[in-house]
Amino acid sequence: EDKVVQSPLSLVVHEGDTVTLNCSYEVTNFRSLLWYKQEKKAPTFLFMLTSSGIEKKSGRLSSILDKKELFSILNITATQTGDSAVYLCAVEEDSGYALNFGKGTSLLVTP
Amino acid sequence: KAGVTQTPRYLIKTRGQQVTLSCSPISGHRSVSWYQQTPGQGLQFLFEYFSETQRNKGNFPGRFSGRQFSNSRSEMNVSTLELGDSALYLCASSTGWTSGMWYEQFFGPGTRLTVL
Repeated sequence: EDKVVQSPLSLVVHEGDTVTLNCSYEVTNFRSLLWYKQEKKAPTFLFMLTSSGIEKKSGRLSSILDKKELFSILNITATQTGDSAVYLCAVEEDSGYALNFGKGTSLLVTP
Repeated sequence: KAGVTQTPRYLIKTRGQQVTLSCSPISGHRSVSWYQQTPGQGLQFLFEYFSETQRNKGNFPGRFSGRQFSNSRSEMNVSTLELGDSALYLCASSTGWTSGMWYEQFFGPGTRLTVL
């Protein structure tokens, strides 16, 4: 059974649209939730969330965590073709020293 | 600061052979983790090392092993290769727990292993 579930699995939008990517998780001792962007290479770090309700922002990207409902969202506003990538959500448990990854959301932004 | 480096970047082997992959973490990072990425399974955790000690191991057979050296560089070894071992192997480094905070993992470019 998957500990981290992302939705949707894929998404096609037009440039300028706003998208919301979802990540739900089920782990025993939550430590942190991380978002990564993966193009045709290694995942690049976007955000690390440890506390509920505190939004993290970086340019057009933002993310928030709800530890009560066990989910996180990643928002991308005014999407650009360069945002096309697979977005990965990962959860780290307190005693695991390991990241549990979801299957990712494949985002395609068309001109 | 240089990023995580992995060598080799591409590798082709045949079934039954063994392979060793290398990872050099970001300077100052003492935690190194390895992940296997395949289209069907996504990113799966292999193992994590900190100061030469393996602290956690994922659900992979014993053919997969690793080690970390005193300079934090790490190697992973896969023996008796199978077709299903074809994947992108990613290494990630982190400072781990420092000054009361956990820090994120940074990934290297990966080694693409093809088993024929």
